[in-house]
Amino acid sequence: SAVISQKPSRDICQRGTSLTIQCQVDSQVTMMFWYRQQPGQSLTLIATANQGSEATYESGFVIDKFPISRPNLTFSTLTVSNMSPEDSSIYLCSVERSGVSGELFFGEGSRLTVL
Amino acid sequence: AQSVTQPDIHITVSEGASLELRCNYSYGATPYLFWYVQSPGQGLQLLLKYFSGDTLVQGIKGFEAEFKRSQSSFNLRKPSVHWSDAAEYFCAVFSSSGYALNFGKGTSLLVTP
Repeated sequence: SAVISQKPSRDICQRGTSLTIQCQVDSQVTMMFWYRQQPGQSLTLIATANQGSEATYESGFVIDKFPISRPNLTFSTLTVSNMSPEDSSIYLCSVERSGVSGELFFGEGSRLTVL
Repeated sequence: AQSVTQPDIHITVSEGASLELRCNYSYGATPYLFWYVQSPGQGLQLLLKYFSGDTLVQGIKGFEAEFKRSQSSFNLRKPSVHWSDAAEYFCAVFSSSGYALNFGKGTSLLVTP
């Protein structure tokens, strides 16, 4: 299994500001995934981050709003830019179990509230 | 279009009673199927998975699920529910033609004394 640490675990932010979420994994992984879970909703994939290349964004998500960094095989950041109340969500970092497509390990999430 | 459906938004069961959570999927080929659980304030944890072979799979915490191709279903079951099972349960599907996990909307389980 993989141990995933996310920071911050929660934060309250003001409209128009940006916040960067950090994700640290205890082992080297090729792909890291960022999900959003809006209140009472399921998980929606924001983007896939591979080390050494640009992140791949899902439909409805753009790099200007959710820039992602992946500087090495154990770390990634997701920035939520120019936040509005609609961005209030839990943001989850996940990694795939090596060699097992679709089996993911998740961090505990970062709960953001935008006022 | 590919989709995962969990018809029940909320389910309430008494402690010690049996449980079945429903999941239906719509995919062209046999997908990889998963059930995840999210306890309050926690990240998601994998309960069990189905890739191929025996259609009845066993998972952690006494859960099992059965893949029924004819019904495009992958229902989660537990013979006797414990209060600690109260959580949000997500069915998820990974398509061999894709690269990401597609989650259902989740079923919230409440366990009463």
